[in-house]
Amino acid sequence: DAMVIQNPRYQVTQFGKPVTLSCSQTLNHNVMYWYQQKSSQAPKLLFHYYDKDFNNEADTPDNFQSRRPNTSFCFLDIRSPGLGDAAMYLCATSRGGLGDTLFTDTQYFGPGTRLTVL
Amino acid sequence: TQLLEQSPQFLSIQEGENLTVYCNSSSVFSSLQWYRQEPGEGPVLLVTVVTGGEVKKLKRLTFQFGDARKDSSLHITAAQPGDTGLYLCAGGNYGGSQGNLIFGKGTKLSVKP
Repeated sequence: DAMVIQNPRYQVTQFGKPVTLSCSQTLNHNVMYWYQQKSSQAPKLLFHYYDKDFNNEADTPDNFQSRRPNTSFCFLDIRSPGLGDAAMYLCATSRGGLGDTLFTDTQYFGPGTRLTVL
Repeated sequence: TQLLEQSPQFLSIQEGENLTVYCNSSSVFSSLQWYRQEPGEGPVLLVTVVTGGEVKKLKRLTFQFGDARKDSSLHITAAQPGDTGLYLCAGGNYGGSQGNLIFGKGTKLSVKP
C-alpha cells in the first residue's frame, strides 16, 4: 500500500563521512523531488528529476548530489556531511506531464529520513 | 519571486475550539495544497484546491481557495488533540511539467485535551 518509501528512516553518520539516502515509489510518477527540512521549518527543495532530467536549485550546495537510475528509485548523496546538514530529508513525487488537464501539481511525500551528523 | 505567508505561525487551543489558518500571497497559483505533518513524519496531503472560490470539506476541516486564487484558508471545527501538527500550505503553477511547489512556513497547531 505504501506509495513513497524512504530508507532508512533514521541515519547517523560522522562529520565528513559520505552518506546515501534512498527513495522509491510505486506511483509510476515522472517527477521525483528531494527536500531538506529543519526543525519547525517548511521543506526546502534541493533538486528534482523530471524523468531523467535533473534540475538543481540555485542555492543547493555542491555537497548534495542525486541519482535516478530508473523511474522508481532516486538517491540523495551527501558527499561530506557537516553538522549543518543534520535535518529531515523528504522525498516526494508528482505525476508531471504536459497538456494533462488533470494535472494539479500535487506532490506526495514519503515519511522522511532523519539524518544525524556526529 | 512567489511567496506564501501563513498565519498564525503558532496556535495553541483547547479541545473543542474552532480555529482558522490563513495562507496568503500576492501571486496567483493554479493550485493550492494543504498538508499536515506530525513530528518525525513526512507531510501528508489533506486536500488540493484548483478553482477560485472552491470549498472542500474533509470531516471537520473546511478548505477554501480565494476567488482570485491568491489565498486560502483552513478552518477546523471542534478541534481534537489528534489535529495537533504542522499545517503547511503549498502553491503550485500549472503550465510547466514539473509542478514545483512554493511552501508557506507552516502553522504549528497544538490542541490540548
